[in-house]
Amino acid sequence: GQQVMQIPQYQHVQEGEDFTTYCNSSTTLSNIQWYKQRPGGHPVFLIQLVKSGEVKKQKRLTFQFGEAKKNSSLHITATQTTDVGTYFCAGLRNFNKFYFGSGTKLNVKP
Amino acid sequence: DTEVTQTPKHLVMGMTNKKSLKCEQHMGHRAMYWYKQKAKKPPELMFVYSYEKLSINESVPSRFSPECPNSSLLNLHLHALQPEDSALYLCASSLMAAGANVLTFGAGSRLTVL
Repeated sequence: GQQVMQIPQYQHVQEGEDFTTYCNSSTTLSNIQWYKQRPGGHPVFLIQLVKSGEVKKQKRLTFQFGEAKKNSSLHITATQTTDVGTYFCAGLRNFNKFYFGSGTKLNVKP
Repeated sequence: DTEVTQTPKHLVMGMTNKKSLKCEQHMGHRAMYWYKQKAKKPPELMFVYSYEKLSINESVPSRFSPECPNSSLLNLHLHALQPEDSALYLCASSLMAAGANVLTFGAGSRLTVL
């Protein structure tokens, strides 16, 4: 069954609004990665978080890894139409297996 | 070269056909992966090759047969597939198979089984 859940499943925002997706695992993760998949495209790596409580920023994107290493979030400030796509978290468990979260599909209305 | 190249981009096959999907990378990555992605779903891991040896098979039916001829190439041989096997098949590679490694994905092969 699904071991890494993401919420929300879908998010529709007006351009300029903020967006957040949350990733939750039932077990502790060694690390977590985030990927973006544009419509009709393939997943593209965004960032990796390893340490408990870690926060990383990439321009308008802020990524956070929970203290217990069971959850993570991706926050986008002032969304743009180029942010459209599905955002997946992927948790590393069992040393060599990445489990992808269910994904959050973001639609941005201009 | 920082790309993973997959061919063909699209494939339509009947349930009795035999076909192959191909994947190539020249980044010196020693781990290669096959993922299956159905519409509106996340990628699902199928196989992992590490140093050209199969290290993970996620209980994939035998009608899917992976092959890693060398460290740059990965094939997925298809035989007697079912319509429910229609999906986007993604190849990925990473520097190593173990630990925290970034996956570089190819553009995928979109398979339709009639």
